[in-house]
Amino acid sequence: KAGVTQTPRYLIKTRGQQVTLSCSPISGHRSVSWYQQTPGQGLQFLFEYFSETQRNKGNFPGRFSGRQFSNSRSEMNVSTLELGDSALYLCASSRDRDEKLFFGSGTQLSVL
Amino acid sequence: DQQVKQNSPSLSVQEGRISILNCDYTNSMFDYFLWYKKYPAEGPTFLISISSIKDKNEDGRFTVFLNKSAKHLSLHIVPSQPGDSAVYFCAVNAGGTSYGKLTFGQGTILTVHP
Repeated sequence: KAGVTQTPRYLIKTRGQQVTLSCSPISGHRSVSWYQQTPGQGLQFLFEYFSETQRNKGNFPGRFSGRQFSNSRSEMNVSTLELGDSALYLCASSRDRDEKLFFGSGTQLSVL
Repeated sequence: DQQVKQNSPSLSVQEGRISILNCDYTNSMFDYFLWYKKYPAEGPTFLISISSIKDKNEDGRFTVFLNKSAKHLSLHIVPSQPGDSAVYFCAVNAGGTSYGKLTFGQGTILTVHP
């Protein structure tokens, strides 16, 4: 069974640009969550989608947004990039009402 | 306000001995407690979890203990192997409509020496 797939693996952008990251969950998993990992703040929850609806949201500015498609695949978008957005962005999927989240390898975003 | 704390940034253990990783939490309403293992620039790998109605769960070399009165969680690895060297994160989940939302501790770097 394939795991969670995230693309691209690495990304370099400049300040002010926008970026879209993609996530394909494990087959049968309908919940997709996004997390940001930085050296200073650790692993922080961005948002969770289930059945194409945002079900939970973390404490991030509106520049961070996401969506989920009918096949459960998800994308997250960051607009007007700032240097502080440089991070490892992780996508996780799970069955509904299952506490176990399975993570992808992440997208390493560098903002110059 | 840090809801989940791993007070030991690092732990060094000899191969074959027991590794004990600790985690404290503040909110008694959490329903599930999890441990993840992580290598740099990779996603966390799920190890083991426990629900709030239990006080112990085992899976092979990994055992998680939950002390609800002390709001304390621990992971025991026996015997420790060099391949266990990684960063270990504890995480909590409030369940309900928040299954997809984990709150993580800051991590503990485990080094297992041959």
